[in-house]
Amino acid sequence: NAGVMQNPRHLVRRRGQEARLRCSPMKGHSHVYWYRQLPEEGLKFMVYLQKENIIDESGMPKERFSAEFPKEGPSILRIQQVVRGDSAAYFCASSLNSGRTGNTIYFGEGSWLTVV
Amino acid sequence: GENVEQHPSTLSVQEGDSAVIKCTYSDSASNYFPWYKQELGKGPQLIIDIRSNVGEKKDQRIAVTLNKTAKHFSLHITETQPEDSAVYFCAAPFSIDQFYFGTGTSLTVIP
Repeated sequence: NAGVMQNPRHLVRRRGQEARLRCSPMKGHSHVYWYRQLPEEGLKFMVYLQKENIIDESGMPKERFSAEFPKEGPSILRIQQVVRGDSAAYFCASSLNSGRTGNTIYFGEGSWLTVV
Repeated sequence: GENVEQHPSTLSVQEGDSAVIKCTYSDSASNYFPWYKQELGKGPQLIIDIRSNVGEKKDQRIAVTLNKTAKHFSLHITETQPEDSAVYFCAAPFSIDQFYFGTGTSLTVIP
């Protein structure tokens, strides 16, 4: 099964630590999206990346959050100096081409971050 | 920018009845509308999608209708079953290739 793979599935961090979430898109997909979902809320767009490029990061908090999608390897969502409000499920999605042109985006199973 | 509104936020139906969830969007250039089902503790899964060149699409008990003039689209589930209980999200593309999602509908099918 070559679906979108995210790890870790569950991550616990103390306040002030760093969290790194990884996402391997579906085979052949070069477009990656990160979404955040707070408990009992909807999916909020964070960032859209293509290989080695950040295309749209309008949904990313200005501080402490960063994302990359290197030429080799998975996409990484990095949260520095985590606070309790960062506790959420973080979903990665990928598509073959751009989503706006009607290409389906497929989601991973998510990474659940808990900040204690 | 795009604004996607989804109603209702919660929906309870008896098993065997139909369920309808509606979404409206604001960007008239949007041309692709997927629906996702999310079960507890899992990621959203695509269940059906529709493109702007058609008005309706059906897949077994699930159908989606699109009214481009009114800028709304709806998910229809017929003969509901307990396993249909989940949160359903609509989405519409926006700007440079990102999707905005509706706020979700929590569907409960009562056996």
